Amino acid sequence: SQQGEEDPQALSIQEGENATMNCSYKTSINNLQWYRQNSGRGLVHLILIRSNEREKHSGRLRVTLDTSKKSSSLLITASRAADTASYFCATDTGRRALTFGSGTRLQVQP
Amino acid sequence: EAGVAQSPRYKIIEKRQSVAFWCNPISGHATLYWYQQILGQGPKLLIQFQNNGVVDDSQLPKDRFSAERLKGVDSTLKIQPAKLEDSAVYLCASSSLLASTDTQYFGPGTRLTVL
Repeated sequence: SQQGEEDPQALSIQEGENATMNCSYKTSINNLQWYRQNSGRGLVHLILIRSNEREKHSGRLRVTLDTSKKSSSLLITASRAADTASYFCATDTGRRALTFGSGTRLQVQP
Repeated sequence: EAGVAQSPRYKIIEKRQSVAFWCNPISGHATLYWYQQILGQGPKLLIQFQNNGVVDDSQLPKDRFSAERLKGVDSTLKIQPAKLEDSAVYLCASSSLLASTDTQYFGPGTRLTVL
């Protein structure tokens, strides 16, 4: 079974708007990572947040982590058409392998 | 630096046939992963190597799937015999450290269709 579940499953916004995706997980984690997957391509690492961190920024990306609620969110500000992709959260539970969620499909309309 | 290479990119086979996928990780990366990604789902780990030794193969269907990493570099994943439910994208990834806090770099994947 998958550790993380993203919400929503699909999201469609206009260019320039912000996009927020959420991830919930079930067990304690060491860290949580977000990846992007463009259609027909492999996954690209975006950002990692450790269990003792609450917020992290990278360019137009902002990630939050609430370990008490076992949830994380990924915010993409000022979205662009090139941000169209699927976004996955992945959790490190200490078993030395990442467990991926089912992903959020983001469509940014130009 | 060159990324993770995979071949073939696409493969169509009949059920009960066998198929093999190849992966060449980023030079110097000791850890190599094979994931299965079914349409609409996230990647699921099949097997993880550290150099040429297996770290985790708990989710590998060993009655039909096998994988090896000779000399701790390239790796092959084989399915024999294939079933319809094996239709998926098979992703290879590599990282430079065993700890999962190190970034995993993914190849483009092999899309397998079993008819």
